[in-house]
Amino acid sequence: SQQGEEDPQALSIQEGENATMNCSYKTSINNLQWYRQNSGRGLVHLILIRSNEREKHSGRLRVTLDTSKKSSSLLITASRAADTASYFCAAVDYKLSFGAGTTVTVRA
Amino acid sequence: GAGVSQSPSNKVTEKGKDVELRCDPISGHTALYWYRQRLGQGLEFLIYFQGNSAPDKSGLPSDRFSAERTGESVSTLTIQRTQQEDSAVYLCASTLTSGNNEQFFGPGTRLTVL
Repeated sequence: SQQGEEDPQALSIQEGENATMNCSYKTSINNLQWYRQNSGRGLVHLILIRSNEREKHSGRLRVTLDTSKKSSSLLITASRAADTASYFCAAVDYKLSFGAGTTVTVRA
Repeated sequence: GAGVSQSPSNKVTEKGKDVELRCDPISGHTALYWYRQRLGQGLEFLIYFQGNSAPDKSGLPSDRFSAERTGESVSTLTIQRTQQEDSAVYLCASTLTSGNNEQFFGPGTRLTVL
């Protein structure tokens, strides 16, 4: 069963705008990871946040984690056309449990 | 260096046939995972190998599915008597020690069962 659940399912934004997507999970985790998938590059790891961390940054990405609410958010700032992809959160105990993903379309 | 490779990239088979999918993990990665992704959905965990420990088969959907791994190298996922609902992309991932680290995914095998 899927443990991570993303919201919204789809998001369409203008280039330069920010994109925010949320993830909820059900059980205890060691860490939570975000991945991007597009047809050109397959599934690529974006960022990992550990259960004792609350916020993490990587380039234009900002991830937050609230273990009390069992939720995480991914913010992409100053979006680009190349950010068009599906984004998945994965709750990790020892294996990754993925949600269905958020499909992001960045319009030029 | 070389990433995770999978073969074949595409496989079309008839219902009832057996198929074998192969995964070559990154050299030195002790942990190897198989996932299944149905169209428009997230990844479903199938099976996990960690070194010489007994594999975690808790995600295998039926006894038609099995997987093997020789040491810390190649893994094969076998689906016997394929059904149309087995159609999906099968993804393999490897990581240094366990799921606490980033997982590196292969390009996947797209399986179509007619």
